[in-house]
Amino acid sequence: GAVVSQHPSWVICKSGTSVKIECRSLDFQATTMFWYRQFPKQSLMLMATSNEGSKATYEQGVEKDKFLINHASLTLSTLTVTSAHPEDSSFYICSARPGQGGNNQPQHFGDGTRLSIL
Amino acid sequence: AQKITQTQPGMFVQEKEAVTLDCTYDTSDQSYGLFWYKQPSSGEMIFLIYQGSYDEQNATEGRYSLNFQKARKSANLVISASQLGDSAMYFCAMREANTDKLIFGTGTRLQVFP
Repeated sequence: GAVVSQHPSWVICKSGTSVKIECRSLDFQATTMFWYRQFPKQSLMLMATSNEGSKATYEQGVEKDKFLINHASLTLSTLTVTSAHPEDSSFYICSARPGQGGNNQPQHFGDGTRLSIL
Repeated sequence: AQKITQTQPGMFVQEKEAVTLDCTYDTSDQSYGLFWYKQPSSGEMIFLIYQGSYDEQNATEGRYSLNFQKARKSANLVISASQLGDSAMYFCAMREANTDKLIFGTGTRLQVFP
């Protein structure tokens, strides 16, 4: 089945640090990947759509300069949280969907990254 | 605007019993997809089952089945023969027409007890 790998799974760092999170589709190509943020005991909120070879599309209220997205290849998208502060602490999770197989193909998710900013 | 509603913040079920998790949705699109995902405490999102808006039969996947009532805009998940390992958060989601975006409900925390 389709596998999405996300790295790192856990990050703890000081305020002001920039943190890069990688999302890879291991056995399929993904022209589009998605980045979500999840606060404790809440639902997943879509942050942005990552488009291979072009700019990401951000959801309303998401700061594009704070959350930099790069989708340089068909199997890799990265999310960089720039100058992270404690309020950026959250669970970040990416997803991608294989192009083949029709509309019933689900989004496959990475295992997520728990980001803690001290 | 499209919306997913899960009205049960938490549910309890005894092992080996069946449980229904509710999901209603709102959309003006004719073509859409509905998904259920399971999120254990470890955080990963596990795909369980899919229902397309044009599917005439309710979807089934092992112990999971989807009670799809299109006129009522509901897509309830039924888990039969609950197991302790079923304890997790369950999210209902809808894929927007013409995009791959998923809109998630607020989730239901299921606790299975012996």
